[in-house]
Amino acid sequence: EAEVAQSPRYKITEKSQAVAFWCDPISGHATLYWYRQILGQGPELLVQFQDESVVDDSQLPKDRFSAERLKGVDSTLKIQPAELGDSAMYLCASSLVGGETQYFGPGTRLLVL
Amino acid sequence: SQQGEEDPQALSIQEGENATMNCSYKTSINNLQWYRQNSGRGLVHLILIRSNEREKHSGRLRVTLDTSKKSSSLLITASRAADTASYFCATRYTGANSKLTFGKGITLSVRP
Repeated sequence: EAEVAQSPRYKITEKSQAVAFWCDPISGHATLYWYRQILGQGPELLVQFQDESVVDDSQLPKDRFSAERLKGVDSTLKIQPAELGDSAMYLCASSLVGGETQYFGPGTRLLVL
Repeated sequence: SQQGEEDPQALSIQEGENATMNCSYKTSINNLQWYRQNSGRGLVHLILIRSNEREKHSGRLRVTLDTSKKSSSLLITASRAADTASYFCATRYTGANSKLTFGKGITLSVRP
């Protein structure tokens, strides 16, 4: 069964450092989402792509976060510089265009020291 | 915030019992979905119910939707230890480009 791939699974970094997360969606899924999930909370959408275009990045802290999906397939989420409050699980999900069901990857757990 | 709110926050039951989880939301929706998350993992879609539907079933899952009360419930029958997880309701509100909005989740523990 096709799955969303994410790497790394865990990342420990010091504040002010740069970190990057990678996501490979299910083949054929044109829509890709990045979520942040703080411990004890539900996922919150950071950015949504349709192919290589950003559809919604209204909740993305653009002073330090950036996301790209250059060829409309895999995607990278970057944080520079990382802050203590960025410690969270970063989840990637994908769906078909107009699809209601989102398929999530295993997530990257980030700890900022 | 447009989050749905789940109730209770935590639920502990014995294997074989039924588990009922509730979700309330604030404004008109296109659909409501339930997802499961095992500890430290990604979310798995369980079931979707549209605004014009009142009840849906999938295996041991039964979800109801009452749009007049802006609430939904998820029933897991004959629970198993493997059902231990966090459960989230997610709503897609009406309106163009509406995103999926998740609640804070319910922690379900099923004791063997």
